Amino acid sequence: QQQVKQSPQSLIVQKGGISIINCAYENTAFDYFPWYQQFPGKGPALLIAIRPDVSEKKEGRFTISFNKSAKQFSLHIMDSQPGDSATYFCAASGGTGGFKTIFGAGTRLFVKA
Amino acid sequence: SQTIHQWPATLVQPVGSPLSLECTVEGTSNPNLYWYRQAAGRGLQLLFYSVGIGQISSEVPQNLSASRPQDRQFILSSKKLLLSDSGFYLCAWSVLFHGELFFGEGSRLTVL
Repeated sequence: QQQVKQSPQSLIVQKGGISIINCAYENTAFDYFPWYQQFPGKGPALLIAIRPDVSEKKEGRFTISFNKSAKQFSLHIMDSQPGDSATYFCAASGGTGGFKTIFGAGTRLFVKA
Repeated sequence: SQTIHQWPATLVQPVGSPLSLECTVEGTSNPNLYWYRQAAGRGLQLLFYSVGIGQISSEVPQNLSASRPQDRQFILSSKKLLLSDSGFYLCAWSVLFHGELFFGEGSRLTVL
């Protein structure tokens, strides 16, 4: 019940295209859903996050769509750029999990120039 | 501003040897501290977390241990390393009950 399932495992997108990564969770008590971006050899860094009281959050080219009834959320990267090539992790925390953040398995994104 | 330091950045250790990874946070007080492990091409596995000095919660049974001797210091240890302990170890901190995690640069451990 604490799992966060992420897909796809890897993704190749042309420059200027839209990258879409999906995640699903089971624990309805989760109330914080962040996306982290990780470049090779570095620690992950927060990209964008959403709480379940809204269905969408946009920051620049990055948008989170959140479907509470389906227990799913997704990251959309508009106008994808080669510099966006990285590993992306969805995550969830809150509820009885408290301090713990549970991560998805990650998606390796490669944007072709 | 807050910063997190983690060291060493890279280490190669023989099976059965001890381990000590250290993490310190600057610019904040009473942070929540975490140790995560990332196996090659895999996700992030929570190993330990701490909400205060001397308070350690373990998530995965293993031959690793963690300690928090000071408010902003978190140490990951092992008495005898196994091959399966190889991976990328990440220290992180947060201030909210559940919110943004701030990660260190990571320590890459190879056990031979």
